[in-house]
Amino acid sequence: GQQVQQSPASLVLQEGENAELQCNFSTSLNSMQWFYQRPGGSLVSLFYNPSGTKQSGRLTSTTVIKERRSSLHISSSQTTDSGTYLCAMERNTGYQNFYFGKGTSLTVIP
Amino acid sequence: AQTIHQWPVAEIKAVGSPLSLGCTIKGKSSPNLYWYWQATGGTLQQLFYSITVGQVESVVQLNLSASRPKDDQFILSTEKLLLSHSGFYLCAWRDISGNTLYFGEGSRLIVV
Repeated sequence: GQQVQQSPASLVLQEGENAELQCNFSTSLNSMQWFYQRPGGSLVSLFYNPSGTKQSGRLTSTTVIKERRSSLHISSSQTTDSGTYLCAMERNTGYQNFYFGKGTSLTVIP
Repeated sequence: AQTIHQWPVAEIKAVGSPLSLGCTIKGKSSPNLYWYWQATGGTLQQLFYSITVGQVESVVQLNLSASRPKDDQFILSTEKLLLSHSGFYLCAWRDISGNTLYFGEGSRLIVV
């Protein structure tokens, strides 16, 4: 079964609104990471966040290991934020296998 | 600064023909290397990983093979392509301290 569940599958926002993206894991995890997938397909790392809260500009990631979930908050969304956001988990240290979610497709309209 | 380069950028190949995709990492010694595949509209799947030259571990084979002939090079190949091999192939690395994954620009493959 799917080890990483992302929600919502898609989201449409008006520019300036906030977005909350969720990632839930079916098994215990060692670490997780958030990515932005460009329209051409390449991935940009947003956060490596094994636990706790990290912030970078308008983006905030919060991971709660015990509850097997992570969230990505985008504040004051901009049209350039449009794209697909992926989360990935690694189950155990040294396991070298990352499981990805299906992604959240975000569209920000002006 | 580390750079990761994938080649070719895109290919259209016939069913049954061979394939070789390459990935080179510069500016980082002894990285862990990974191959991922994404079908159109699908989820990224890890195919192989390598933590040292000459050693490759398979995660999901999909009738593909991988090799690491040099410390900075990772090759994905098959002798006979299937239609199901179409998709987007991504190479990634991370250092041995085991934190962030960094991806290349990817290679898009269409099998006809």
